[in-house]
Amino acid sequence: FFLTQPPSVSVPPGQTATISCGGDNIGIKNLDWYQQKPGQAPVLVMYDVSARPSGIPERFSGSNSGNTATLTINRVEAGDEADYYCEVFDRNSARRIFGRGTKLTVL
Amino acid sequence: QVRLVESGGGVVQPGRSLRLSCVASGFTFGSNGLDWVRQAPGKGLEWVAFMSIDGDNKYYADSVKGRFTISRDNSKNTLFLEMSSLRLEDTSVYFCARNSERGSLDYWGQGTLVTVSS
Repeated sequence: FFLTQPPSVSVPPGQTATISCGGDNIGIKNLDWYQQKPGQAPVLVMYDVSARPSGIPERFSGSNSGNTATLTINRVEAGDEADYYCEVFDRNSARRIFGRGTKLTVL
Repeated sequence: QVRLVESGGGVVQPGRSLRLSCVASGFTFGSNGLDWVRQAPGKGLEWVAFMSIDGDNKYYADSVKGRFTISRDNSKNTLFLEMSSLRLEDTSVYFCARNSERGSLDYWGQGTLVTVSS
């Protein structure tokens, strides 16, 4: 089981960033998203596809459709520049699987 | 507040062993599963191992199975990762992370660097 992410996404500040994560039957899995800034530990920004942890701005939202999950960041700010990873726990193989990450650049 | 602090990293020769520790505070340690996740320099996140609350369930990535052992001491609020037969490709920052009720990794430590080098 693999999760496929685009290597990079670039958006101007104030615009909307969408980061995709593809995988077989991803719609039936509890998918999470993590944000990681340089030199820092990852931070959970979305869990169970579309639930926002406490402290994460409402500008962050998640969805899935078919075999693709999407993290959407509205009104992108310079501080959102980071690597974003999707992740699922594959119960069939008892493995936690991360996507390869998407580098979000705010132009 | 929830805090996870890893230690035990360092420089080690190929084939040698190392034990990492992760001391937790700010929550009831025995109420959460725990994971180790690593990140090679300039690379993405790679899951390493998971241990359930009671320790009955342990899962490992294929890349470390048979070489790494995850364990926990709930009386000391500490998670361990015993690493043996280390390889050059095990060089990474190793993070410990807490499982939420939903299985997400809701809190992470700052990581400890393991460098395998001859």
